[in-house]
Amino acid sequence: SQTIHQWPATLVQPVGSPLSLECTVEGTSNPNLYWYRQAAGRGLQLLFYSVGIGQISSEVPQNLSASRPQDRQFILSSKKLLLSDSGFYLCAWSFRDRYGYTFGSGTRLTVV
Amino acid sequence: QKEVEQDPGPLSVPEGAIVSLNCTYSNSAFQYFMWYRQYSRKGPELLMYTYSSGNKEDGRFTAQVDKSSKYISLFIRDSQPSDSATYLCATYNQGGKLIFGQGTELSVKP
Repeated sequence: SQTIHQWPATLVQPVGSPLSLECTVEGTSNPNLYWYRQAAGRGLQLLFYSVGIGQISSEVPQNLSASRPQDRQFILSSKKLLLSDSGFYLCAWSFRDRYGYTFGSGTRLTVV
Repeated sequence: QKEVEQDPGPLSVPEGAIVSLNCTYSNSAFQYFMWYRQYSRKGPELLMYTYSSGNKEDGRFTAQVDKSSKYISLFIRDSQPSDSATYLCATYNQGGKLIFGQGTELSVKP
């Protein structure tokens, strides 16, 4: 069966520091991968998606970037964090169908 | 206008009550509708999936889509404290990406 792993679960980082969040999927090949952010009391905002290695699409302009160095690995990065980057970051995958996405357990990022 | 709108609540009900959660969407071309449940500090998990109009039932949960009014609902019968969570409606937009409502925070009191 397919599983999705996301880490770390919690992260506190100072303003101006770099960021790297990692997500990996097991049990499937060539999945579509997504990064969402969820601000407190708000819905999920799609940040990036990828349909293949090295293929990244950005949904919103921001201080973050994404990379997909391997088929089942998706990384969210920043060179210099802002206070406004705080939030709950979720990785998800799908297999090109219309049956929704499967989410990881999320990373709660606090920028101080 | 947001593509999917949902009352964020919070909603508090006594155990055993029938819960009704609702969303509206903007584009009549949307066809696939989902409800996700998200426990505190966890990722959302798919709860119900429906295509086009009609009802779908799964145990105590019923998902309903009314395409004429662009309205989707989730009903929870005999609600339990373990149902306390945030419920998010979702649909695929014209670009093929899953978009979400704000989520409704539900609390079921024993």
